[in-house]
Amino acid sequence: EVQLVESGGGLVQPGRSLRLSCAASGFTFDDYAMHWVRQAPGKGLEWVSGISWNSGSIGYADSVKGRFTISRDNAKNSLYLQMNSLRAEDTALYYCAKDRYGSGSDAFDIWGQGTMVTVSS
Amino acid sequence: DIQMTQSPSSLSASVGDRVTITCRASQSISSYLNWYQQKPGKAPKLLIYAASSLQSGVPSRFSGSGSGTDFTLTISSLQPEDFATYYCQQSYSTPPLFTFGPGTKVDIK
Repeated sequence: EVQLVESGGGLVQPGRSLRLSCAASGFTFDDYAMHWVRQAPGKGLEWVSGISWNSGSIGYADSVKGRFTISRDNAKNSLYLQMNSLRAEDTALYYCAKDRYGSGSDAFDIWGQGTMVTVSS
Repeated sequence: DIQMTQSPSSLSASVGDRVTITCRASQSISSYLNWYQQKPGKAPKLLIYAASSLQSGVPSRFSGSGSGTDFTLTISSLQPEDFATYYCQQSYSTPPLFTFGPGTKVDIK
């Protein structure tokens, strides 16, 4: 079964850091680009960051550029999001999503169930 | 950056109705446009990619059209399980740099 399972969310104070993980199974992880997408409570979807199959191409939304870092470990079938200098507006459900292709410029065909990040003092 | 708009923001419809949702890009994105469905408490689901290609397993009552800046998602005969929020997404920009539309909520009339 193709599956993405996120972990690492929780309650964190403003200015602190958090690292999200996404464990992939059921497909050849290193063939595909991967992405993080977030959704604030009651709001729409916001693409956060994406990484190509070989980490050669990486992109970030302007809202997180310079604070968040995406990475992947193909040997461990895992995707990560290092989030630094967190702000209240980063509070959201964070989804891991699989790209249809390796380059990272296509639709997202598999999604995890998300991990909640709450930034509050 | 490419901005995406959707209209309407919400609509009420009945089972069996034909429903059309419009998505517009702030600049030409060729056919790099995808559509997702999201139900409350669930992850989004890919419906249409590359403007008009139906994702595997998605019912044929869903269809997409358009190119350039203007796109539509059509549900030919609305079913009870189709009440959800629909998002468009552009995948034109590189390096990975995506934008979602604000969403269209379809509820029961």
